[in-house]
Amino acid sequence: EVRLAESGGGLVQPGESLRLSCAASGITVINNYVHWVRQAPGKGLEWVAVVYTAGSTYYTDSVKGRFSVSRDSSKNTVSLHMDNMRVEDTGLYYCARGQGGLYDWGQGTLVTVSS
Amino acid sequence: DIQMTQSPSSLSASVGDRVTITCHATQDISVNLNWYHHKPGTAPKLLIYDASNLQTGVPSRFSGSGSGTDFSFTIANLQPEDVGTYYCQQYDILPPYTFGQGTKVEI
Repeated sequence: EVRLAESGGGLVQPGESLRLSCAASGITVINNYVHWVRQAPGKGLEWVAVVYTAGSTYYTDSVKGRFSVSRDSSKNTVSLHMDNMRVEDTGLYYCARGQGGLYDWGQGTLVTVSS
Repeated sequence: DIQMTQSPSSLSASVGDRVTITCHATQDISVNLNWYHHKPGTAPKLLIYDASNLQTGVPSRFSGSGSGTDFSFTIANLQPEDVGTYYCQQYDILPPYTFGQGTKVEI
């Protein structure tokens, strides 16, 4: 059974950094496209970033230069490093896997950016 | 970047009704479109991939169609457990893989 589990969420102030982790079981992260998707309070789903099997990474415009995705094959995890955070980065962050459709998702971790 | 316009933003229907949601892309995305169902407190669930393919285990009352820039998603015989928000998502050649704004379905 495939399981994705996010962790690392919390309360930070604007300008601070946070690192989210997505721990995978039942799959090998380096053999999968792993995405980050977020949902701000009262808003819809927003695609944030992806790491391809070859290691290429892509980001939505609003996080380019501030967020980065990395993988740790020894721990079978994918991390989302978030720097210079903004109030508008507040939301529930999900990791998900899939090359076309996102067919496995974690339950999400909550990030709050507030002074 | 490709933008997705989904409509309606919300709808109310009765059990047994047929419900249709549409999604328009700002450029040709072939059939690179997915549909998801999301309920509060749960992870989104993939229902349809590649515009018209039913994900394994998803009931056959859900269907999708379209190609290019215009797509539709239909729930035939709406059931109480179908309440929630539905999203389209495009995954063209390169990211970002944008979602539509969502359609909230109520009974």
